[in-house]
Amino acid sequence: EAQVTQNPRYLITVTGKKLTVTCSQNMNHEYMSWYRQDPGLGLRQIYYSMNVEVTDKGDVPEGYKVSRKEKRNFPLILESPSPNQTSLYFCASSSGGTQYFGPGTRLTVL
Amino acid sequence: DAKTTQPTSMDCAEGRAANLPCNHSTISGNEYVYWYRQIHSQGPQYIIHGLKNNETNEMASLIITEDRKSSTLILPHATLRDTAVYYCIVRVARWSGYALNFGKGTSLLVTP
Repeated sequence: EAQVTQNPRYLITVTGKKLTVTCSQNMNHEYMSWYRQDPGLGLRQIYYSMNVEVTDKGDVPEGYKVSRKEKRNFPLILESPSPNQTSLYFCASSSGGTQYFGPGTRLTVL
Repeated sequence: DAKTTQPTSMDCAEGRAANLPCNHSTISGNEYVYWYRQIHSQGPQYIIHGLKNNETNEMASLIITEDRKSSTLILPHATLRDTAVYYCIVRVARWSGYALNFGKGTSLLVTP
């Protein structure tokens, strides 16, 4: 089944403790991206990647890192999480104009 | 990407057709109309897209006016599981580099 998977689905952590949210797709898509969704602010893009080893900032990249060493994986790294990064995170992949989203990761930073 | 305007909310009785309108009067000739939906806190789900001809798939139908300034998403037999926020997005199809601008969408409530 074609899909985008994210892990973990839920995470509660403390300020400053490094964490990684994994994202994987099995559709051989070149384009992948990360969004965060907050009440009243909608979905905002954090980072995106046009292909392996090619990444670029989205609208809200501060406090996040990404890497794209393989086509199928696009992990989101929070080196030193802060409470304002408490949010619902979605990974997406696409080939052409249609994007396919993962199920989401709900992150709480205390 | 062209700006879109959608009603904030709509209701629909279960089993009836749900018709969700979208205005995109500034759409360019190479821009497609995309529809996504988001069921509470789940990942947005692609529904359908079209350029100028009407389109139908297993989920929905998309009717685009001849001048392409508006469109309607039709869920032919709405079920309770179709309760979601529906987003109309206009963008160039082949370009994947830009974030999708979801806007506020239409909150559809399907009632028994």
